[in-house]
Amino acid sequence: DVKVTQSSRYLVKRTGEKVFLECVQDMDHENMFWYRQDPGLGLRLIYFSYDVKMKEKGDIPEGYSVSREKKERFSLILESASTNQTSMYLCASSPPDMNTEAFFGQGTRLTVV
Amino acid sequence: DQQVKQNSPSLSVQEGRISILNCDYTNSMFDYFLWYKKYPAEGPTFLISISSIKDKNEDGRFTVFLNKSAKHLSLHIVPSQPGDSAVYFCAATFSGNTGKLIFGQGTTLQVKP
Repeated sequence: DVKVTQSSRYLVKRTGEKVFLECVQDMDHENMFWYRQDPGLGLRLIYFSYDVKMKEKGDIPEGYSVSREKKERFSLILESASTNQTSMYLCASSPPDMNTEAFFGQGTRLTVV
Repeated sequence: DQQVKQNSPSLSVQEGRISILNCDYTNSMFDYFLWYKKYPAEGPTFLISISSIKDKNEDGRFTVFLNKSAKHLSLHIVPSQPGDSAVYFCAATFSGNTGKLIFGQGTTLQVKP
């Protein structure tokens, strides 16, 4: 059974803290993604990676960075957390096939206070 | 610039009736469309997809219809069940988009017993 696992379900951080969100997939997928979900805005792509050490900005990369040192792991970093980064963060992975579904983790609800 | 739009934030139907969720898109390059279902505090799960070479795809109680000329797709759930109550996201992509999915804002479906 395919699995994408995010390290935390719920996280509370203070403004200005550096925050790490970890994601691991066991499907040997090349593609990995970080989205955030906000009410009325749907899922918006923050960053994605199509190979180890490769990354590209999505639609809303400001205030975030990513790291992919190993194929199975994709980390999202909030350099200096702000209250407007309070959101549900969703990691996903997919194979390199052109048109296929992505598999999502359970999500991390981050609250920045 | 919202390329995928779900104009109905919510929908309420009676158990046993049909649920119809709608989605519009603007990018003519999209050639693959997906529907995801999301429960609160969980990640989205893939429901059904359709390629642009088809106009209908069916999987059990779920059917997706694609009208390319109108740039419109819809998800039909028949019969609706209380367990179908969730947020439904429409997503689109195209060959060469590196697997990136563009999501709509989501529609919250409530199925009343």
